Amino acid sequence: SQTIHQWPATLVQPVGSPLSLECTVEGTSNPNLYWYRQAAGRGLQLLFYSVGIGQISSEVPQNLSASRPQDRQFILSSKKLLLSDSGFYLCAWSVHSGETQYFGPGTRLLVL
Amino acid sequence: AQSVTQPDIHITVSEGASLELRCNYSYGATPYLFWYVQSPGQGLQLLLKYFSGDTLVQGIKGFEAEFKRSQSSFNLRKPSVHWSDAAEYFCAVGTYNNNDMRFGAGTRLTVKP
Repeated sequence: SQTIHQWPATLVQPVGSPLSLECTVEGTSNPNLYWYRQAAGRGLQLLFYSVGIGQISSEVPQNLSASRPQDRQFILSSKKLLLSDSGFYLCAWSVHSGETQYFGPGTRLLVL
Repeated sequence: AQSVTQPDIHITVSEGASLELRCNYSYGATPYLFWYVQSPGQGLQLLLKYFSGDTLVQGIKGFEAEFKRSQSSFNLRKPSVHWSDAAEYFCAVGTYNNNDMRFGAGTRLTVKP
């Protein structure tokens, strides 16, 4: 069966520091991968998605970036964090575009 | 692009009572519709989905949802709520071959003993 992992689970970072969040999927090949952000009390905002290695689409312009160095690995990065980057970051995968997305456990990021 | 609205931000029901969470979508063609549940500090778990066929969809944990094209709705129901159902519920709409799945703002469910 397929599983999706995210780490770290929780992260506290100072403003201006770099960021690297990792997501990996097991049990499937060539998945679509997604990064979402969930601000407190709000829905999910799609940040990036990827349909293959090295293929990244950005939905919202910001100081975050994403990379997919391997088929089942998706990384969310920033060179300099802002206070507004605080939130709950969720990674998800799907077999095909538009179909069911399966979510990881999330990473809670607090920028101070 | 498609969009989805969950009109109720917060709902409180008594344990054992029935539940209906509302979801309205906007899309010109037949959408793909989903309900997810999120416990505090956790990821989202899929409850059920509708792609085509029977408009009444059964999901996990005793939930069901009905797709009503005429009302552009996909409401989630459960006949008898358990205390463990307290969580946040998200409706989502996707479209064929499109990665931009849109989520509602969520409905927080509180269950009174």
